[in-house]
Formats: sequence, structure tokens, C-alpha cells
Amino acid sequence: SYVLTQPPSVSVAPGQTARITCGGNNIGSKSVHWYQQKPGQAPVLVVYDDSDRPSGIPERFSGSNSGNTATLTISRVEAGDEADYYCQVWDSSSGLYVFGTGTKVTVL
Amino acid sequence: QVQLQESGPGLVKPSETLSLTCAVSGYSISSGYYWGWIRQPPGKGLEWIGSIYHSGSTYYNPSLKSRVTISVDTSKNQFSLKLSSVTAADTAVYYCAGPRPDGMATSFDYWGQGTLVTVSS
Repeated sequence: SYVLTQPPSVSVAPGQTARITCGGNNIGSKSVHWYQQKPGQAPVLVVYDDSDRPSGIPERFSGSNSGNTATLTISRVEAGDEADYYCQVWDSSSGLYVFGTGTKVTVL
Repeated sequence: QVQLQESGPGLVKPSETLSLTCAVSGYSISSGYYWGWIRQPPGKGLEWIGSIYHSGSTYYNPSLKSRVTISVDTSKNQFSLKLSSVTAADTAVYYCAGPRPDGMATSFDYWGQGTLVTVSS
């Protein structure tokens, strides 16, 4: 089955840039979606189809995808960005949805 | 405004069947691609359980496939989850989620608030 691997944690100072990676075999050929989840809350979609943002999501959130790695970039990090982040793909060959292992972003 | 709302028992006995329903308001299930159930054990990550198309076509996580049934009722604009032979390992927050009405969107744009299901005697 398809596996998505994320670093368990990323730490970043306020105002700096956080980059969260999502590794998967030839992930560049798939559409990658990213979710933010704060404690006790449901996940929120922050980037879809590699690099598009839903309405209401700040431009500070951006995404890219190539080769075997997709990346979520959070620019000018704020304290409110502290959360768990998950990548997700749909494997068209099997019809299965897959979530990444999740990354906890800590704002120092 | 699109809203998803899970409903069902919060406590299920071991070996019994967990049953949840997700009511969708704000747009028709028939307008979206695949709708899904996702769960999250306490302190752990998200696990996709399965998804259903409005026609009834389903995909299930291979690790749960033998115990999962997802169905849809377009007349009520809702879809449901049944997970049989539950154990303590099935204790989790269960979320229903759906795509934007955009043809073949494969993201989960809308989520329910989640419901905690505890498996215990």
C-alpha cells in the first residue's frame, strides 16, 4: 500500500518560515492535500491539489510537489499556526485515500 | 454553508457493531465525488476508513475492509458507517468528511466536528 512519511516535528520561531515535507513514491504524479489540526478540533484543509488554497486560508500557506516529496510552506509563522499538519493523497490506481504520519509544528 | 454532523452511540461493547451516520446540509451529496469516514485514536494520527460515491461505489482501507460497510442514502442526504467486531483498538474520534462540489475533488474540504466512540464493556 502507498505510504506517506512526514517528520514527527518541526520547530520554528515567530516570523520565520516552516517547511513540512511529505515523502512518497513518485508523489509528484499525485495531487497532494494538506490539513491543519489544532487540539480538540477537526482537521481543516489549508492546501489542496498541491498548491491551491481554499477560501479564507492566508496566503502565508503554500504548497509544492515534485518527484518523491511534497512540501507545505508556512511563511511569517504566527503563534496560531502551532498545530499538527497532515498530508493526504488519493491513489487513483487503487481508489484508496492515504494520510501522512503527521507533523507537529511548534512555534518557539 | 456546508455542514456535516456525525451521530451515533458514544459507547460500544467489544465484539459488537459500531454504527454512525453523517448528515450533510448545505449541498447535495450527489454533487460531490467521494465522501469519507476518517478516525483518530487518542493521541495518534488520522486513519482513512473508507469512502463512498453517491452511486454507492465504495473503497475501504485494506486493514479494515473485512469489518467495514459504508452506505449512502441520497434521499436523506446522509451516509453511514458500520464497523463490526470492534475491540478497544477501535476507540477513536470518528470524523465524516466530504469534497467540495467540484467534479472529481479528492480532498476532504468539509469535516464534521467528530464523535468519540469508546469500545468498552
